[in-house]
Amino acid sequence: AQKVTQAQTEISVVEKEDVTLDCVYETRDTTYYLFWYKQPPSGELVFLIRRNSFDEQNEISGRYSWNFQKSTSSFNFTITASQVVDSAVYFCALSEATGANNLFFGTGTRLTVIP
Amino acid sequence: DAGVTQSPTHLIKTRGQQVTLRCSPKSGHDTVSWYQQALGQGPQFIFQYYEEEERQRGNFPDRFSGHQFPNYSSELNVNALLLGDSALYLCASSYPPGQGLPTYEQYFGPGTRLTVT
Repeated sequence: AQKVTQAQTEISVVEKEDVTLDCVYETRDTTYYLFWYKQPPSGELVFLIRRNSFDEQNEISGRYSWNFQKSTSSFNFTITASQVVDSAVYFCALSEATGANNLFFGTGTRLTVIP
Repeated sequence: DAGVTQSPTHLIKTRGQQVTLRCSPKSGHDTVSWYQQALGQGPQFIFQYYEEEERQRGNFPDRFSGHQFPNYSSELNVNALLLGDSALYLCASSYPPGQGLPTYEQYFGPGTRLTVT
């Protein structure tokens, strides 16, 4: 069975600090996808990134970077030089590579960036 | 290019009543999934519809049912509402399977916030 754990319930940082959101997953599938979504107060889930299980290259997109380590079943997300607009709930999710591709979400990490 | 739309935005119902939520998928998508997000929790998969049929279902009781129309829009119906059904209901759309398109990319709508009193 798939499971995603986000141990950090809430994090507060001061603007311009770096912050890392942790994600640990469990799955018996050998091929799967990992995702990060952002949920601002409006409620809509905003897609940030998808990684394939066979691609462990780290990725950087502007101030965002992701570290995927299959050996530790982790897919961590770092925001560099945080901004107030980064304040939101961030969800890590896992989906199987076949079938309905339904997403299994973690419980989310609420990030508050203090000006 | 319209994204995923959902209606209504908010809804208040009484225990025991029935409710219908609606979703229109993103242009080009014909697969619709529904998720329930309780307060402080991550979204949980309810079911997915493709070609007007329920393709996969999560761990939800039969009180939760759905429908997909020929234009790919979808409805989520919940019967005999319980207080615990209060949640944000999210609809996500994706490409159809078997066409070499990225079916794993799901686009979410803004959600319908259901309050059961």
